[in-house]
Amino acid sequence: KQEVTQIPAALSVPEGENLVLNCSFTDSAIYNLQWFRQDPGKGLTSLLLIQSSQREQTSGRLNASLDKSSGRSTLYIAASQPGDSATYLCAVLTGANSKLTFGKGITLSVRP
Amino acid sequence: DTAVSQTPKYLVTQMGNDKSIKCEQNLGHDTMYWYKQDSKKFLKIMFSYNNKELIINETVPNRFSPKSPDKAHLNLHINSLELGDSAVYFCASSPPLGSGGAGDTQYFGPGTRLTVL
Repeated sequence: KQEVTQIPAALSVPEGENLVLNCSFTDSAIYNLQWFRQDPGKGLTSLLLIQSSQREQTSGRLNASLDKSSGRSTLYIAASQPGDSATYLCAVLTGANSKLTFGKGITLSVRP
Repeated sequence: DTAVSQTPKYLVTQMGNDKSIKCEQNLGHDTMYWYKQDSKKFLKIMFSYNNKELIINETVPNRFSPKSPDKAHLNLHINSLELGDSAVYFCASSPPLGSGGAGDTQYFGPGTRLTVL
């Protein structure tokens, strides 16, 4: 059974800091890994998707890496801004039935 | 042009009632999902349907019954509501796996916050 872990559950940083969010998963037989953002009371927005054959993806100030063999991914946020405050969810997709398994998320607060 | 829409956005009801949440997607996807996000924000899959056929059923109580009248709609009907059913329910849809790159993702609706009193 696939399990996804994100630690810590919450993080507070001053504006401008570079930060790394970690994600680990137990079964390396994944199709892809995704990072989502969820704002309070809102739905999920896909930030980055890394296919199982890829090592990283970049979008603006965000960079996500994947080490499938060790079951780890990191989301790097450069020069954090208050607008980055949200919950960041890591999820892995297993291809057999397109099942997406989520971690519990990391709630990020960026202080002005 | 909302890609995945859900109604209602908020639903407050009494224990024991029966209620439905509707989901529609206009993305032409074949696969749709229902997720439950509990009070601790943990998001967990409940069901998935592919072309109106049930693919995933994650040991959800049989009080929950998904209904897919066509591949653009996946409604969630809940019988005999319990306090523990209070949560945010998200609908999602996805194209077939192998669509390529960032297309291999799921598109989420805005959620329905269900409160059972």
